[in-house]
Amino acid sequence: QSALTQPVSVSGSPGQSITISCTGSSSDVGSYNLVSWYQQQPGKAPILMIYDVNKRASGVSNRFSGSKSGSTASLTISGLQAEDEADYYCCSFTKTLTYVFGTGTKVTVL
Amino acid sequence: QAQVVQSGAEVKKPGASVKVSCTASGYTFNRYHMHWVRQAPGQRLEWMGIIKAGGGIRIYAQNLQDRVTMTMDMSTSTVYMELSSLTADDTAVYYCARELPDTYQFDLWGQGTLVTVSS
Repeated sequence: QSALTQPVSVSGSPGQSITISCTGSSSDVGSYNLVSWYQQQPGKAPILMIYDVNKRASGVSNRFSGSKSGSTASLTISGLQAEDEADYYCCSFTKTLTYVFGTGTKVTVL
Repeated sequence: QAQVVQSGAEVKKPGASVKVSCTASGYTFNRYHMHWVRQAPGQRLEWMGIIKAGGGIRIYAQNLQDRVTMTMDMSTSTVYMELSSLTADDTAVYYCARELPDTYQFDLWGQGTLVTVSS
């Protein structure tokens, strides 16, 4: 199972909005609304941010939102803040009953 | 509160096996699946497999299924992941992550266990 494709890095100034894409195939993202997003700070375990494409996990700011079109899912962070600087990974359930993560995106707040 | 705590760091020689534990507390252990995810240094997250609630069903990533075994001890609320025939490519932080059945999300993660494979 090949990893889902994400941009290596995305950056923005405080207060701006950024979007991270996550491209899969008809075997994963394109077939299920079961995409989740995880935030990982350096040296820490990942934290669930978004599940089922667009549902926010408990305690997650409403500045984070998710969407999907075809085989590409997206995570948007609005009102970018310094604390949002981290790595972000998408993850999808697949037709083989397994899971596949994305390649990861480093978000930098300028 | 709910938490999962993993065993400590390991150093292994090539060809050896490693067994990492993940002990749950603060929630009903047998109502949740447990996944294992690893992350090589500077690399992406990689899903390794799932042991479903009750321990009877396991699904492994195709590239690991010949070398990985996941087990569950209900008496101690502990899940184990054993990886055999280790190579340097298996050097990584290994995480366990909880899933409420049929939610397809990992809502609680262990702190991670660093496994280093070196001669």
